[in-house]
Amino acid sequence: GDSVTQTEGLVTLTEGLPVMLNCTYQTIYSNPFLFWYVQHLNESPRLLLKSFTDNKRTEHQGFHATLHKSSSSFHLQKSSAQLSDSALYYCALSAAYQGGRALIFGTGTTVSVSP
Amino acid sequence: GPKVLQIPSHQIIDMGQMVTLNCDPVSNHLYFYWYKQILGQQMEFLVNFYNGKVMEKSKLFKDQFSVERPDGSYFTLKIQPTALEDSAVYFCASSRRGSGNTLYFGEGSRLIVV
Repeated sequence: GDSVTQTEGLVTLTEGLPVMLNCTYQTIYSNPFLFWYVQHLNESPRLLLKSFTDNKRTEHQGFHATLHKSSSSFHLQKSSAQLSDSALYYCALSAAYQGGRALIFGTGTTVSVSP
Repeated sequence: GPKVLQIPSHQIIDMGQMVTLNCDPVSNHLYFYWYKQILGQQMEFLVNFYNGKVMEKSKLFKDQFSVERPDGSYFTLKIQPTALEDSAVYFCASSRRGSGNTLYFGEGSRLIVV
């Protein structure tokens, strides 16, 4: 079945340093949709950014990611972390744009930014 | 932005009792989802629902679980009977046209089974 792998469980860094969170996926479908959701403490997940176009960079709120189908990756990056970026980040996969396909989440990466 | 409302926000229930979690999805959305999150752990897919039918469910969606949306009202998750391992936060989500679209999540219903 479809799956998403996030290798880092916890990332701790100092404010102002760059952030990179890894995400790889597995699916038999050739046109998956990839997402990054962010969940702040005691809140619900909300969409950060998404993509379905191969090799095209997508950006939102200072974060960016590029879907690379050749390596089945969708890593999340930010050039300079802020304290408010501390949260749980999920990479997620949908194998179909419409229809009854579940959105599958990875295990999540907790980002902790300190002054 | 679009809001998904979940009722109740918290519930404590005795093991073996029935519980119904209610979700009021975004008004023009057609696809509905339930996810389970045990404290400190990942979001896990339970079930999705479209046009009055379950489209897909995971192995976590036990026989004791059921979902429905009678007459376009709340989208509900019912657990009967509850077990200790059902303690978790249950998130409802909805999307306009399936999970390739953005999912909008509610604030979650924290269920504690004692």
